[in-house]
Amino acid sequence: EPEVTQTPSHQVTQMGQEVILRCVPISNHLYFYWYRQILGQKVEFLVSFYNNEISEKSEIFDDQFSVERPDGSNFTLKIRSTKLEDSAMYFCASRIGGAYGYTFGSGTRLTVV
Amino acid sequence: AQSVTQLGSHVSVSEGALVLLRCNYSSSVPPYLFWYVQYPNQGLQLLLKYTTGATLVKGINGFEAEFKKSETSFHLTKPSAHMSDAAEYFCAALAGNRDDKIIFGKGTRLHILP
Repeated sequence: EPEVTQTPSHQVTQMGQEVILRCVPISNHLYFYWYRQILGQKVEFLVSFYNNEISEKSEIFDDQFSVERPDGSNFTLKIRSTKLEDSAMYFCASRIGGAYGYTFGSGTRLTVV
Repeated sequence: AQSVTQLGSHVSVSEGALVLLRCNYSSSVPPYLFWYVQYPNQGLQLLLKYTTGATLVKGINGFEAEFKKSETSFHLTKPSAHMSDAAEYFCAALAGNRDDKIIFGKGTRLHILP
């Protein structure tokens, strides 16, 4: 079964450093997403991406965040200057359309120290 | 705005007993509904989903859920709990219109008592 692949599974970074989280969505999917889950809390939507542009973003997704699909296969989330409160599990997701095939990756646990 | 409410942040059941995890949604349009399970330090695993058609949906690991439009509910059940069912369960909804983000409930941690 096709999977959404996220790398790395765990990343530790120092406060103030830039971090890039990587995702490879399912190949024929058209819509791409990042979600975040702070430890012990619910999963929250960050951003959706379609046709090479952001289609929606949440209040969490401020100027420190950016997304990119640089080569037609990878989908990245960049945090420019990490803060302690950015520590969370970040999930990438993709779908082809409608609710069908809405698939989450296994997540990247980001720890900011 | 779409919202998902899970009643009970923690539910404890004895091994072999019925599991019932409650979920209600609010939506101006019939949503797509999901249940995800998350084991400690792991990602989200889809248990089941309702899109259209039959309102009783069967999922993996013996779980099922029933979409009740009149009650705006999508409760998750399993007839007989197993120790391996101990995990966090998230109910989620997708509005199905232009809004394509999934809205998650706060989660219910299921504890299985021996």
